[in-house]
Amino acid sequence: DTEVTQTPKHLVMGMTNKKSLKCEQHMGHRAMYWYKQKAKKPPELMFVYSYEKLSINESVPSRFSPECPNSSLLNLHLHALQPEDSALYLCASSQAVFGGATLSFGSGTQLSVL
Amino acid sequence: DAKTTQPNSMESNEEEPVHLPCNHSTISGTDYIHWYRQLPSQGPEYVIHGLTSNVNNRMASLAIAEDRKSSTLILHRATLRDAAVYYCIQGDYKLSFGAGTTVTVRA
Repeated sequence: DTEVTQTPKHLVMGMTNKKSLKCEQHMGHRAMYWYKQKAKKPPELMFVYSYEKLSINESVPSRFSPECPNSSLLNLHLHALQPEDSALYLCASSQAVFGGATLSFGSGTQLSVL
Repeated sequence: DAKTTQPNSMESNEEEPVHLPCNHSTISGTDYIHWYRQLPSQGPEYVIHGLTSNVNNRMASLAIAEDRKSSTLILHRATLRDAAVYYCIQGDYKLSFGAGTTVTVRA
């Protein structure tokens, strides 16, 4: 299995809702990532987990809360989002965090905040 | 912050080679050069990466200048499926994507 699976593929939520994005990989990778991509812009790193521990938070607002329950799963909990948070949210994984690590990306969750 | 410079767009004919340049003049000795591409409505896809020596894989070749301040991604025979945004990234696993080069392939 060489895939990173993200669910749901599309999500529409109101500003008072709480929702979660899910990411799963079965490649034995020990590093997992969340990226955010606005339309026609490059992806931007949000969080990095290494061995199920948060190792990088790129100053992301607290309305985004990541969670790594085990080495195969990564969640992104969303609460009180703003319309400007509408974007494609990409999950990725790699064997570990080192310079030459190569990332495998999922297809993303397209999020719309109304 | 993105540290690489790439042309905004390039066009190619099908079955012809495509040479995508990238400048990374601030590269350090431990920075890798990564290339990813993103097809429409998909997540980025790993293409190739290298540190000092030229690299080849089934998708492409990566030619790295001797001073490492520039590199070129070579797609040997472009197909319509190679139409994508190609990102050249200098650094480590914390990929810092720049604007990339949009490659169009003409049939």
